[in-house]
Order: sequence, then structure tokens, then C-alpha cells
Amino acid sequence: DVVMTQSPLSLPVTLGQPASISCRSSQSLVYSDGDIYLNWFQQRPGQSPRRLIYKVSNRDSGVPDRFSGSGSGTDFTLKISRVEAEDVGVYFCMQGTHWPWTFGQGTKVEIK
Amino acid sequence: QVQLQESGPGLVQPSQTLSLTCTVSGASISSGAYYWSWVRQYPGKGLEWIGYIFYSDNTYYNPSLKSRVTMSADTSKNQFSLKLTSVTAADTAVYHCARGSLAAGKKGCGMDVWGQGTTVTVSS
Repeated sequence: DVVMTQSPLSLPVTLGQPASISCRSSQSLVYSDGDIYLNWFQQRPGQSPRRLIYKVSNRDSGVPDRFSGSGSGTDFTLKISRVEAEDVGVYFCMQGTHWPWTFGQGTKVEIK
Repeated sequence: QVQLQESGPGLVQPSQTLSLTCTVSGASISSGAYYWSWVRQYPGKGLEWIGYIFYSDNTYYNPSLKSRVTMSADTSKNQFSLKLTSVTAADTAVYHCARGSLAAGKKGCGMDVWGQGTTVTVSS
């Protein structure tokens, strides 16, 4: 299985400051169609996961533009330009290139 | 809007079969545009993809669970189900049902609609 490694696992952030989460895969995530199926999910406390970004950098409808995704090959990043209180939760990366699809361990974002 | 709701026993005895159902509203599970999946989340919060079903009877299972998993769909009730046999304490988790797209270039994008999840504890 493809192992997804996130860092850091815990990220205390000051309101209004930027935050960055890294996700690395044990294999290239470039699919045969040329796309990269690396996705990001947010899980707020007490809620189910919610997809924020798909295929590296595409924001889902309703996702604030302070969230952005980037990366290629095996190295990916989720950035929050200015953290707001509602951004508290756990963030997961997920690869959909190789079956079985796998998730990172999660990064807990909290306010300092 | 599309909603998914899991249901089933919250407690299952070791070696028994875990059975869960996901009821879908706002979309038809037989439409062919989507796959319908199960994902579980362990107490430590890690997520594991169990598998998915589409076109009512096409299934993909995680190889790590394949020998114990069966997914099925009841289009008349707009529901899909999960059965996991020979459960142990390691199967204790929150089980989520969720929807993903089968459109070209979208299948590997994960799920865009999730149920609230149901907690299943395996214990005698």
C-alpha cells in the first residue's frame, strides 16, 4: 500500500497567521491519465471529514480561498493563508492513484 | 441536497458479523454517476478505506479486508450495505458511508458527501 506521511502531526497556530501541512507519499501519485489524485480533507471536532481540495490544487465548492494546495510527484502541501477559528480540526491527505486508496495520519490544527 | 445516514448495531460480539446500512436521500444509488463507499476511522483518528460499490453490484474491496468484506445495494430502498465477518476488537471504529464521483478524471478524488458516521464497538 502507498504510505502517506504527514508533518507536523500537531500544528499550533496564531489566529490570522499562515499554516502549512506537508504530505509525502511512498510512491509517485501520477496516474496513467497524467493526473495526480492527491486530495485534502478537513475534519472539524465532532464532524465527519469534508473534502477541501482534490487533484492537488482544486478547491471544492464553498471552500474559502485561504486554503490552497500544491505539489507534484510525491511531495504535497496544504496551506492556510490566514488561520481562522473555524479552521480548527484535523487535516488528512488522501491518495486516490493506487488501490487501495490511503490516507495520511492527520495533522491537528489548533489555536495557540 | 444529498444526505447519507448510517445505521446498525453499535455493539458486536467478537467473531460475529458486523452489518451496517447506509440510506441515501437526494440521489439515486443506481444512477451510475457515483460510487458508494465505506471508510472507517479508528479511535486514534486514522482513516482506512474499506471499499466501494457502483452500478449496484460492482465492488472494489481493500485487499487487507477482502476476505471478510461484502458490500451490496438495495436500489428499491436506495440503500447500500456493509458486512464484515469474524470481527475482533481491531475492528472497533467509527464507520462512515460516503459518495464519490465516477466521472472521468474524478474517481480518485475521494468522497464529496459523507454520512455522520456510526460507532461500532467489538466486545463481549
